Amino acid sequence: SQTIHQWPATLVQPVGSPLSLECTVEGTSNPNLYWYRQAAGRGLQLLFYSVGIGQISSEVPQNLSASRPQDRQFILSSKKLLLSDSGFYLCAGSPQAYGYTFGSGTRLTVV
Amino acid sequence: EDQVTQSPEALRLQEGESSSLNCSYTVSGLRGLFWYRQDPGKGPEFLFTLYSAGEEKEKERLKATLTKKESFLHITAPKPEDSATYLCAVQPQTGANSKLTFGKGITLSVRP
Repeated sequence: SQTIHQWPATLVQPVGSPLSLECTVEGTSNPNLYWYRQAAGRGLQLLFYSVGIGQISSEVPQNLSASRPQDRQFILSSKKLLLSDSGFYLCAGSPQAYGYTFGSGTRLTVV
Repeated sequence: EDQVTQSPEALRLQEGESSSLNCSYTVSGLRGLFWYRQDPGKGPEFLFTLYSAGEEKEKERLKATLTKKESFLHITAPKPEDSATYLCAVQPQTGANSKLTFGKGITLSVRP
């Protein structure tokens, strides 16, 4: 079965600082990978998804970027954080593009 | 465009008081409908997948059902530990990389 590892669990960063959140997958090969942001009352917002190494699709124009340097590694980055980047970030994986398994999430607070 | 609407937004029950959570959806051919449970500060945890109208699945006090337009998550004699947010999502058949569309979730509180 697939397991999604995500860290850190919480992060407090100043405005203008860089960001790097990492997600790794255990138990499957070549999964589809997703980054979501979850805000209270707004549900899950899909930010990026990847169907393979180096293949990134962006769903929402924003201050963030994503990369997939290895089959089981998915990274969410920002060069300069904004206050509006605060939120709960979730990584999800989908083996054979069917159903999702989620990581435990990262609570990002930009101050 | 695929859409998922969950109702009510929040539900407060007394322990032992059975109820149902609703998920209405529109999708261009259903590949699967998913229910997740999410505890505060945690990632969503998979509960059920339903594939076709008429299908039902059960797990402890939870039972999920599916029609062509909606799904219900029935909670029988809930306990305080059932308190969580319940998310519904649909996946369309079209496309090899079809993405899930999620509802906003239903926050369930069960009082002892």
